[in-house]
Amino acid sequence: GAGVSQSPSNKVTEKGKDVELRCDPISGHTALYWYRQSLGQGLEFLIYFQGNSAPDKSGLPSDRFSAERTGGSVSTLTIQRTQQEDSAVYLCASSPGLAGVNTGELFFGEGSRLTVL
Amino acid sequence: TQLLEQSPQFLSIQEGENLTVYCNSSSVFSSLQWYRQEPGEGPVLLVTVVTGGEVKKLKRLTFQFGDARKDSSLHITAAQPGDTGLYLCAGGYTGNQFYFGTGTSLTVIP
Repeated sequence: GAGVSQSPSNKVTEKGKDVELRCDPISGHTALYWYRQSLGQGLEFLIYFQGNSAPDKSGLPSDRFSAERTGGSVSTLTIQRTQQEDSAVYLCASSPGLAGVNTGELFFGEGSRLTVL
Repeated sequence: TQLLEQSPQFLSIQEGENLTVYCNSSSVFSSLQWYRQEPGEGPVLLVTVVTGGEVKKLKRLTFQFGDARKDSSLHITAAQPGDTGLYLCAGGYTGNQFYFGTGTSLTVIP
């Protein structure tokens, strides 16, 4: 597809289980972002990948959260031992990521809604 | 941690009224973006401003970047029900890093 694709769109899990959320960015986009959004609230930055550079992990809330980006394309956000406070919509975005230019548009997926029971 | 605070958090107005949404920070940004998000969808870019004091107009929407590049405002003239949504500002840092604001939920009543 032409846009950012995220899966699953909805995930219900039990407390303590691990979950994986997938993001397929727009082809050719070198920058990839993960954000978390609680109901009707703003976006909380989680992690940012830019090309082959080391990712900016400064927004990850705990060591239960990790993300990787394979081959500079698809990214997976993993949450281990999920807690109820992890319930939120996880949004992925990609951008052309031109070096030295930070006015680029972020293109978002529709998000993965995670519910931890 | 939210670097950008938006106000008001919620806004409900009648069709035809004017409104202003504010985005404030103690940090200096190299660019400032505004996005609009509808339920069940990801945010969509409305505008990018990059110069302190810059004003951009998009039909009934007017965006301004503060002189010190720490704040921004979004003004909507003669609001319409189609303007309903969550408005988000996002501050850009060098290296393509973006931090989003706390969001303003706008409801325009017909």
